[in-house]
Amino acid sequence: NAGVTQTPKFQVLKTGQSMTLQCAQDMNHEYMSWYRQDPGMGLRLIHYSVGAGITDQGEVPNGYNVSRSTTEDFPLRLLSAAPSQTSVYFCASSHYYGSSGRGGELFFGEGSRLTVL
Amino acid sequence: AQKITQTQPGMFVQEKEAVTLDCTYDTSDQSYGLFWYKQPSSGEMIFLIYQGSYDEQNATEGRYSLNFQKARKSANLVISASQLGDSAMYFCAMRLLQGAQKLVFGQGTRLTINP
Repeated sequence: NAGVTQTPKFQVLKTGQSMTLQCAQDMNHEYMSWYRQDPGMGLRLIHYSVGAGITDQGEVPNGYNVSRSTTEDFPLRLLSAAPSQTSVYFCASSHYYGSSGRGGELFFGEGSRLTVL
Repeated sequence: AQKITQTQPGMFVQEKEAVTLDCTYDTSDQSYGLFWYKQPSSGEMIFLIYQGSYDEQNATEGRYSLNFQKARKSANLVISASQLGDSAMYFCAMRLLQGAQKLVFGQGTRLTINP
């Protein structure tokens, strides 16, 4: 019962470095998304995907890239890390709302804590 | 567009009391879902309860119930007989049935249960 798996759980970067946060789900979910969580801001949507080959921007997409080559994987790339990207990142997935029978609740990974120095 | 507002940054409640966490939402769509998630200090996001916009009955899941008032656009979470383990951050979220189906979260409420 893996669910949504995110790696790494912790990462420290220097300003200007690039990295990829990995996300994989084994529930055959069509919908996948990335959020960042900052104190007092709740969870803000970075990018999302409604299926392989289809991605779109959320509320705070600048500085991040995504791709969805398979149903299972949805990596998040930081192109040139900045201190403002210090945050906790969550990957989440779901069936397309309306098809699950339960309302399309998101299943979350455990989170990745990223610090940019 | 969709927006969720949680106006209570923090709540303090005595153990065994009931507690209501407020959530208001804004959308012009007619078809949507409302969700509550719990985030304990360990950091994981736990789904609690769901209410569909066309559901006539308020949702209940064990000690959790959702007080859905569509005309007022509110979806308050009620926790009955609170327990120490209920201490956590609580997030209200909304998802539209149409379009991209993005799930949008409120800022959260930190609930502390005192013994």
